[in-house]
Amino acid sequence: RKEVEQDPGPFNVPEGATVAFNCTYSNSASQSFFWYRQDCRKEPKLLMSVYSSGNEDGRFTAQLNRASQYISLLIRDSKLSDSATYLCVVNGGYNKLIFGAGTRLAVHP
Amino acid sequence: EAGVVQSPRYKIIEKKQPVAFWCNPISGHNTLYWYLQNLGQGPELLIRYENEEAVDDSQLPKDRFSAERLKGVDSTLKIQPAELGDSAVYLCASSPAGTTDTQYFGPGTRLTVL
Repeated sequence: RKEVEQDPGPFNVPEGATVAFNCTYSNSASQSFFWYRQDCRKEPKLLMSVYSSGNEDGRFTAQLNRASQYISLLIRDSKLSDSATYLCVVNGGYNKLIFGAGTRLAVHP
Repeated sequence: EAGVVQSPRYKIIEKKQPVAFWCNPISGHNTLYWYLQNLGQGPELLIRYENEEAVDDSQLPKDRFSAERLKGVDSTLKIQPAELGDSAVYLCASSPAGTTDTQYFGPGTRLTVL
């Protein structure tokens, strides 16, 4: 079983749609969680950290459920520029980030 | 502020040849990482440096891969000899002292082994 698992997608949605991505992790001792964004043939970039209380950054909302070892990312009012791969990332201990394989999002006009 | 710099951006070599990748982290970042990213997968850590010390190289295939960060700034990752399965993107990242949570990635080197 992979340490961080994501639905690979692709998710094809129209502009303006709301889309949600899910991620599960296997190490219950993990302490910090993130979503990174990776555009095609580019490097990953931090999108947002994920806190137990949930956090929001504009159109993006991240949630963490420690009991279920589950992380989510909600994107509201999707834009064409949101098209990318979204990587779920967990600090797996010993200061090591574990990346999921990513979920691909394609927003179309 | 300049980001993480990597070179070359692309490299095509024949199998059994050696290859080297270079990385210059963000100024002042003590921690440097080398990752391997295969198509359709997330980055996987190869080695992490704190200044010039390799503190986690457990995922580095030491029979053919080597890395160095002699002065605690820039770093080189080498493969000798390269195999077909080494074709991937090699990403370098850095983070400030005291945190590994926020990592800044370079553009990567795309290696093709023929």
